[in-house]
Amino acid sequence: RKEVEQDPGPFNVPEGATVAFNCTYSNSASQSFFWYRQDCRKEPKLLMSVYSSGNEDGRFTAQLNRASQYISLLIRDSKLSDSATYLCVVLNNAGNMLTFGGGTRLMVKP
Amino acid sequence: EPEVTQTPSHQVTQMGQEVILRCVPISNHLYFYWYRQILGQKVEFLVSFYNNEISEKSEIFDDQFSVERPDGSNFTLKIRSTKLEDSAMYFCASSEAVVAEAFFGQGTRLTVV
Repeated sequence: RKEVEQDPGPFNVPEGATVAFNCTYSNSASQSFFWYRQDCRKEPKLLMSVYSSGNEDGRFTAQLNRASQYISLLIRDSKLSDSATYLCVVLNNAGNMLTFGGGTRLMVKP
Repeated sequence: EPEVTQTPSHQVTQMGQEVILRCVPISNHLYFYWYRQILGQKVEFLVSFYNNEISEKSEIFDDQFSVERPDGSNFTLKIRSTKLEDSAMYFCASSEAVVAEAFFGQGTRLTVV
């Protein structure tokens, strides 16, 4: 089983749509989780941390399900500028290594 | 807004040559990292560095790689004898504390010919 697994997509959605991505991780002892966004040939940029209770930042909502070892990201009211690859990232227990999923590509169309 | 800066943005080198990739982490950050991304593949961890020593490294980070913090601001990755398969985007990152968000530089695209 891959350490961090994501559906590569692409997800093609119209502007204004709601889209959800899931990610599974293999290490049940993992404590910290993040969603990063990566534009083509650019660096990963932190989108949001994922907390056990779930958290929301504007149009973005992240959820963590420890029992099933999956993390989700929900994007509401998609904008053209949301088109990017979304990376699910898990931090190891020592806090010194991030493991990245392969990313899910989102394309928002007018 | 503070940011991680990397130089050069693009480096072309001949196989077997040594390269040094440079990074200036965010000034109050204490943890530094190098990651790489081969074109079309996922981001892979290379090494983390704290308190002037390596705290974790991956299998990729073999004897041809080394890191150094030569002064109070720079953090470097040296590849001693480059191979064709070292061609990738190399990202430097830093974080304020352990179990904190990491911020990435814009990357150095290394092309080995």
